[in-house]
Amino acid sequence: GQQLNQSPQSMFIQEGEDVSMNCTSSSIFNTWLWYKQDPGEGPVLLIALYKAGELTSNGRLTAQFGITRKDSFLNISASIPSDVGIYFCAGRRGANNLFFGTGTRLTVIP
Amino acid sequence: DVKVTQSSRYLVKRTGEKVFLECVQDMDHENMFWYRQDPGLGLRLIYFSYDVKMKEKGDIPEGYSVSREKKERFSLILESASTNQTSMYLCASSLDSATEAFFGQGTRLTVV
Repeated sequence: GQQLNQSPQSMFIQEGEDVSMNCTSSSIFNTWLWYKQDPGEGPVLLIALYKAGELTSNGRLTAQFGITRKDSFLNISASIPSDVGIYFCAGRRGANNLFFGTGTRLTVIP
Repeated sequence: DVKVTQSSRYLVKRTGEKVFLECVQDMDHENMFWYRQDPGLGLRLIYFSYDVKMKEKGDIPEGYSVSREKKERFSLILESASTNQTSMYLCASSLDSATEAFFGQGTRLTVV
């Protein structure tokens, strides 16, 4: 299946710092999604992006749909302890499938 | 809000048992998916369905089957459970092929 390259694999940051992670692919996608997964739970949708170049915010989170349609990034500003979790990107190409990145594990040190 | 509900949070089954994982969504979504999640491998698609009685294989369908008799319910079946099927199983649904998917809370299956 299609692989999305998500980086970094893990991050350790101090509370209050900003965080940036990204996802790249060799294929074009029509939709980019960002999810967060808490331990023992299912992923929860954070942001959905539907247009190349689109920049969307959800509170302290900002995500962009790359202009080439082959990448996306997620920024978290002023991190707090509850930001801890695994963040997944996902891309959709119009078929009935979502391709997921392998996740970025975020640890926030108080 | 969309609700995707998986019937069990935790399951322990014996090798060789037939296992049913159930998923129900309450938003009249067309598409439903089953993924498994393993450390370092992310989410891998097992099967998906885009309509009642319709199913398509995902990336890792071997050892699994699915059933979608009603629009709101998508079942994953392990015909003869094996220890390498110990994993976190996630069900998801989406309105159509262009919109975001919503996940259930996951079922952690252990096969002993």
